[in-house]
Parts: sequence; structure tokens; C-alpha cells
Amino acid sequence: NAGVTQTPKFQVLKTGQSMTLQCAQDMNHEYMSWYRQDPGMGLRLIHYSVGAGITDQGEVPNGYNVSRSTTEDFPLRLLSAAPSQTSVYFCASSPSHAGNTIYFGEGSWLTVV
Amino acid sequence: AQKITQTQPGMFVQEKEAVTLDCTYDTSDQSYGLFWYKQPSSGEMIFLIYQGSYDEQNATEGRYSLNFQKARKSANLVISASQLGDSAMYFCAMREPGTASKLTFGTGTRLQVTL
Repeated sequence: NAGVTQTPKFQVLKTGQSMTLQCAQDMNHEYMSWYRQDPGMGLRLIHYSVGAGITDQGEVPNGYNVSRSTTEDFPLRLLSAAPSQTSVYFCASSPSHAGNTIYFGEGSWLTVV
Repeated sequence: AQKITQTQPGMFVQEKEAVTLDCTYDTSDQSYGLFWYKQPSSGEMIFLIYQGSYDEQNATEGRYSLNFQKARKSANLVISASQLGDSAMYFCAMREPGTASKLTFGTGTRLQVTL
């Protein structure tokens, strides 16, 4: 059982480049989310999805796009990377019901130079 | 809007002692969930404990317990018998009502366990 898998783990981008952070879960969870963590701060929600074909914005969505074509995958796209997007990115998934089952991926360290 | 406040940027505790990490929250909702996560230097987010707003008893998970005081809007984490491996960042988080994984996090407390 792989849980929540994020790739890549580390990435360096040049300003203006585009890239996609991949997130996959094998638990058939309906809810998936992307967070970013900046130094000295907690995680902040970027985008989330309540199921295939349904996405919505979180607290800090600017500069990021998402789509959810399957239950398993929830990629996060940076269309034109900026130094302000240097951060650690976490993907999370959970079942549709309430409770304490929120699983996080191991994180993706992104540096934009 | 929900808000989580962790007022202790850093804490020290001696091995085998107990320590309390503070967390206060602000919400107008009656139904909510509170989480504590541990983030070691390797970076992953490790779930520690959960408290639902309607749970009548304080949550416990092994050496972790949550001191939930609803009227004061506080959800402090108590770690008993601290171990060197407990040295890490600790985050308190609140789940938005009606959602499964929309969390609002505090800024964290860095705990250092000493010999």
C-alpha cells in the first residue's frame, strides 16, 4: 500500500519555466488537496478536490492550476514559475467521511531561481 | 474564517519529562475537528492525534493526549515521558466543517528534547 505518492521530491526551476508536481493515491479517497509550506509558517491550502472532475481554490491559489481527471491523481501545475513559489509542497488525501484519516505525501521541495 | 494560534515558537524539555504545546483556535462553527501533526527534520507530516468538537472525552494516543477546553477554544498537546525522537516541529490544525481535508494550520512549535 503506497499511500500518497508525490513526485518529484526535489526540483530546481528557472523563473518562467513550467512544471507539474504529481500526486497519486491508491486508497480510493475522494478528497485530495495541495498545500505549500514556507519557512516559519504552517501549511497553507492551494487547491483541493472533492472528487474526479471537481476542484476548487484554497487560500493561496494564484500561480497554480489543478485538474482531477481520475480519483487517483491530482497534479499541480505551475504555468510560469516565480521565485515566490519556492516552497515545500504537500499533497494530502482523505475519504469523504469525517474523522482523522488525512494522509500526507512526503513533500516536494521546489526551488525557483 | 478559521484561525489557529500557536504562541510558542520553540520549547525545550528534558528527556522523560512531560511537555505541553499550546494551541488556541478561533471559529464560529459548532462542528469542527482538531489535529496535531509532527514534522521531523526529514520533512514528512506525521499524524499524532485528533479531537472532534463533539467528543466528550479528551483524545489520547499512546504518549500523546489532547487537553481540549472547548469554552476556552484551546487544544493543547501533552507529550508524556519525552524521548529524544520527539524533537521536531509540531503543528496544530483545524478542519473546515463539512470538508474532509481542508485544514488551517498554525505556525508550529519547535520542540527540542534534551538529555
